[in-house]
This record gives sequence, structure tokens and C-alpha cells, in this order.
Amino acid sequence: GAVVSQHPSRVICKSGTSVKIECRSLDFQATTMFWYRQFPKQSLMLMATSNEGSKATYEQGVEKDKFLINHASLTLSTLTVTSAHPEDSSFYICSAGTNNYGYTFGSGTRLTVV
Amino acid sequence: AQTVTQSQPEMSVQEAETVTLSCTYDTSESDYYLFWYKQPPSRQMILVIRQEAYKQQNATENRFSVNFQKAAKSFSLKISDSQLGDAAMYFCAYRAGTYKYIFGTGTRLKVLA
Repeated sequence: GAVVSQHPSRVICKSGTSVKIECRSLDFQATTMFWYRQFPKQSLMLMATSNEGSKATYEQGVEKDKFLINHASLTLSTLTVTSAHPEDSSFYICSAGTNNYGYTFGSGTRLTVV
Repeated sequence: AQTVTQSQPEMSVQEAETVTLSCTYDTSESDYYLFWYKQPPSRQMILVIRQEAYKQQNATENRFSVNFQKAAKSFSLKISDSQLGDAAMYFCAYRAGTYKYIFGTGTRLKVLA
């Protein structure tokens, strides 16, 4: 149980375009999902907390207009990187779950902006 | 603010030997969770072990065990009978009432054949 699917696993996009990353809980309902960013050889940095049916809470320094998060249902949250630039290239990971049962991580998305 | 510190950027262990990874944290909360996650080259985050702060007994999962010292705010991971498949980045993490995970900077574990 507690499977989280993240798609796509890899994406290459042109500078100036937008990219959408999906995070799905396959066998449970996730009231909360988290989005992280990980640079090479570094730790996970929390970008935002996504709660179903409400606006995401962004961490300090994260541009909410650039990283759009939508959590429209209890099984799906999306992260859209708008007007992507090479400095947005990174590894993005989601986690989903509930406070009672814990959180599971998706397999991550490697974004390359060229 | 809560912080998690992993002071060992890299560790090496001989296959079949035992290794201990260190983690310290700082918090004013009394109720929280501590975790060790493994991140292999695939970069999938895999939960290794979890400890509830209110439990005095140290968590154990097969070859993995922790030494949880609440007063000292220390949470080390011991890997016994190390295997080649244990080679990975290991992250210590903390979660409390805000439900946000706070991760340490990681320790890269190398297992020598």
C-alpha cells in the first residue's frame, strides 16, 4: 500500500515554456502533498505544502507565480514550472500521505531546461 | 527553528561489517517523529526506519537499528552485516506538528567488497 506515482520521470523543455509534473496517490487519499527540489549532491529542499481544496503554502524564497501548485483532488497534485529557465533545471520530488499514516515519496522528476 | 545535522558527509564500510551514521537535531517540541531515508542512485527516497519520540524503545528493522537519545537529541543509524546494496545517500529527517519534513544534508555510504 501507500504508493505514490510521479510523472514524468524525465522531461526536457525549451527555455520559456511551461512544464507540468503530476503526483498521484494510487491506493490512498492524500490530504497533504509536499513538493521538494533537490540539487545535485544536496538535500531535499521543501518548496511548498499542498492541501486538497485550498491554496498551497510556499516556503520562503519560493516564487509562487513561477511554481504553480494545484491540489484539486485527494489523489492528485500538480506542480507547473512556468516560463522555465535553465536555472530551474533540477530534480523535483513529491510526497503524499496523511499525518496519521505517514508520507510516501514519489520517484521524482528530472527537469532539464535547454 | 528545527534543524537536523548530519556531520558525516561520507562513510565507508567493509561488506559484512557494521557502520553507524550520526544525526543530531534541535527542537523545542516534545512530540515528533524521526526518520532515516535511503536514496540510491535512482534517487527514489526509501524509508529505512522510523522512530516516534514518545517511545523509549529504539526502532529496529532487520539489519537496521537506531540509537535514539531524546535528551541528547541524537538519532544514529546502525547498519549491521552491510551489503553492497546498502550503498546510497542516507538522509536523517524530522517531522513534528507542522507536518513538514526537515532533512539533514545527507551521508554518502560506500560499501567496499
